[in-house]
Formats: sequence, C-alpha cells, structure tokens
Amino acid sequence: KNEVEQSPQNLTAQEGEFITINCSYSVGISALHWLQQHPGGGIVSLFMLSSGKKKHGRLIATINIQEKHSSLHITASHPRDSAVYICAAPLFGGGADGLTFGKGTHLIIQP
Amino acid sequence: NAGVTQTPKFQVLKTGQSMTLQCAQDMNHNSMYWYRQDPGMGLRLIYYSASEGTTDKGEVPNGYNVSRLNKREFSLRLESAAPSQTSVYFCASTAMAGGGGAQYFGPGTRLLVL
Repeated sequence: KNEVEQSPQNLTAQEGEFITINCSYSVGISALHWLQQHPGGGIVSLFMLSSGKKKHGRLIATINIQEKHSSLHITASHPRDSAVYICAAPLFGGGADGLTFGKGTHLIIQP
Repeated sequence: NAGVTQTPKFQVLKTGQSMTLQCAQDMNHNSMYWYRQDPGMGLRLIYYSASEGTTDKGEVPNGYNVSRLNKREFSLRLESAAPSQTSVYFCASTAMAGGGGAQYFGPGTRLLVL
C-alpha cells in the first residue's frame, strides 16, 4: 500500500513569494495527483503527472519518478491562492484502486 | 453538465440509524469512488467501482456498503451508523476505465452521528 507524505503541513507567506510544497510516496506509481481544497470544502484536481513537469498559469508541478518525489510550486503567490493543497497517489501504485492522500498543506498568503 | 452531484448536503443521524448517500455523475465516467475526510487524517478511500458492475473495498470499508446502480450512480450505505462515522463524505469519478485519470469530486456530504 502506498504511503504519501507531504510537507510542510502549514505555510504562511507574503503576497508575491515563491511557494514550494513537497510530496513523497513509497510505491512506484502510474501518476501523481495534486488537488486543491478551498475553505468552502470543494476539491479540485490541479495536476496529474507521471513524469517531468506540468505548468498551469502560476502553478508548476514536477515529479522525479526515481526518487518518488513531487513538488508543487506557486509563482508570484496571491491571497486567492490560500487553500489546502493535497498530494495523492494510487493506493497500490496504479490502476483502478483509488487514491491515497497526504494530509495536506494549509497555505495562507497574506496581502 | 452538473459534473458530480451528491445528496444530501448535510445529515444528522442517531446512533444505529441507517442512511444512503447518493452520488451521480453526468460525464459518462467509468470509475467512481467514495472517500471520507476527517480532521488530522486526510482523505481516505472507502470503496470504489472500477467499472459498472464491479465494486471493491478501499482502506476503510468497515461499516459501509456500496451499490453501483448503473454507470451514472454509485451509492454508499451506512446500515447502523456510529459516532465514528461522523465525517465529510466525497464521491469522485474518473473517465478512464480501471481508474488512473484525473478525478472529479462532488461537493461533499457532511454527516453527523449523535
């Protein structure tokens, strides 16, 4: 069974700062997921990646398959980026078995 | 498209009562999932359905049953609710048969068991 660890658990930064959230997992996977949960509770998929790097606006996700490690970066952070960011991996590495999740990083961006 | 919908949004039960949480998706997705989210524990997989007609246990299946009624609908039943089942329940779906694609989440159901 895959184990997912995320750090930091809490992060407070000033508007404009470069943000990095780290994720590691224990079992080789088909793809890693990054999710965002806003204060209202809704969960949105940000990225699903199996190699290299993906970029969407100011968000960048990278993965190193050999080291079983992924990072989520936010450039030019803004208060609207304040949310919980969650890393997730397939429970048994791949296929149809659903996801297992990190405990999330609670990010607050202050104006 | 409504995406993934869940009913009810909020429910209060007494210990021992039963209820069914409903989930439906209109994206023609093949795989569907039920998760629960608890403070300090994160999201955990309860049950999943890789395709219509199949269901499998996840990490925390005890006390729950599921039914994949058709391709659109996947319900979660609590036969005899316990306070430990107080949680927020999320349904999710993914297009790829056998899972593995980006997951789309419903808005969640907040359940309080007294």
